[in-house]
Amino acid sequence: SYELTQPPSVSVSPGQTARITCSADALPKQYAYWYQQKPGQAPVLVIYKDSERPSGIPERFSGSSSGTTVTLTISGVQAEDEADYYCQSADSSGTYPVVFGGGTKLTVL
Amino acid sequence: EVQLVESGGGLVQPGRSLRLSCAASGFTFDDYAMHWVRQAPGKGLEWVSGISWNSGSTGYADSVKGRFTISRDNAKNSLYLQMNSLRAEDTALYYCAKDERDGLDMAYFDYWGQGTLVTVSS
Repeated sequence: SYELTQPPSVSVSPGQTARITCSADALPKQYAYWYQQKPGQAPVLVIYKDSERPSGIPERFSGSSSGTTVTLTISGVQAEDEADYYCQSADSSGTYPVVFGGGTKLTVL
Repeated sequence: EVQLVESGGGLVQPGRSLRLSCAASGFTFDDYAMHWVRQAPGKGLEWVSGISWNSGSTGYADSVKGRFTISRDNAKNSLYLQMNSLRAEDTALYYCAKDERDGLDMAYFDYWGQGTLVTVSS
């Protein structure tokens, strides 16, 4: 199987910067995507192709990639950003076309 | 406005079958690949299956391969998931999700439905 590894939880105070990482062997060759999921709601795409932001997503959300790790950065965190965040990618062989990370719970203190 | 509305969930006994449907609107359905993603209670997201725009390519998670079948009817703007030999571990909220591309490579999901709950229990 192919796995994307995320920290289970990240905590920050309002106004600070939150960084959520996602690691896997194929990430240098495959794009990563990030989804935000609030309780009782469907996921929402917040970053695609490592660092692109869909229309309607606030500028404080950004993505970056370095080697086998991709990072979702939320600058100036707001209370409304408290949610679960999932990375998504694929393995390099095509055996696993869609894989999600285990998710990271972002807590705004 | 893109809308994805799932239906067909419910309580089913282990070993039985269920068919999920997803009605799509607000976009040109046959231009895009479509997927099913599930989420067990209190757990993370799990990709279940995907189908290309013309049904030429399909993909399945190892956990459902051989038991689930994805299909689509472009004339009806609808996506389906036939689930056979259901197990307790298939209990989850099943989301229909639209791909941003027409095939299954580099798949990702720009729109999601609200999900339909499947409970497998005796």
